[in-house]
Amino acid sequence: AQSVSQHNHHVILSEAASLELGCNYSYGGTVNLFWYVQYPGQHLQLLLKYFSGDPLVKGIKGFEAEFIKSKFSFNLRKPSVQWSDTAEYFCAVNGEGRRALTFGSGTRLQVQP
Amino acid sequence: DAGVIQSPRHEVTEMGQEVTLRCKPISGHDYLFWYRQTMMRGLELLIYFNNNVPIDDSGMPEDRFSAKMPNASFSTLKIQPSEPRDSAVYFCASRPTGVNTGELFFGEGSRLTVL
Repeated sequence: AQSVSQHNHHVILSEAASLELGCNYSYGGTVNLFWYVQYPGQHLQLLLKYFSGDPLVKGIKGFEAEFIKSKFSFNLRKPSVQWSDTAEYFCAVNGEGRRALTFGSGTRLQVQP
Repeated sequence: DAGVIQSPRHEVTEMGQEVTLRCKPISGHDYLFWYRQTMMRGLELLIYFNNNVPIDDSGMPEDRFSAKMPNASFSTLKIQPSEPRDSAVYFCASRPTGVNTGELFFGEGSRLTVL
């Protein structure tokens, strides 16, 4: 079985602060990893994804994530957050040969102006 | 492309009533997924289809829930009878086959409130 753990449930930051959201997964084989964002009242949108190659992945809006295989981690980072980044962030995993994504419980980010 | 289309966007019903949620996947996508989002349990996979055939329904909570996909462009999720604990946002998502990156494309969700 595959599972995802997001350690931070609610994060509050001021604008321009740096962000790092933790994500650890559990799966014994090759994985594809994703971060999705859900702005208030909207559907989930893909922020970035990793499936092979460079473990440092760059996504939209200045976000990046690093896949560390030895730590089963895929943490999301942004050097300087904006008020518009206020949203819920979900990490997800898709093990090799599996078709459905398993999502973490989500991290609610609140950026104060 | 119009994206994944779900209806209704909002539904308020009374306990015991039948609820039907609808989804139109992106044209050409042959995988369709139903997820449920609640505060307590986050995003849970309920069921998914491949080429209109249910592949994994192990996430369906109980017999009150059923899902169908009569053709490639339409799926329904039915709850009968509904209960207050079914209140949640139900998301439909689709993806194509052949490009095995696993990315899902989500609809805007159907917010269900059962009184």
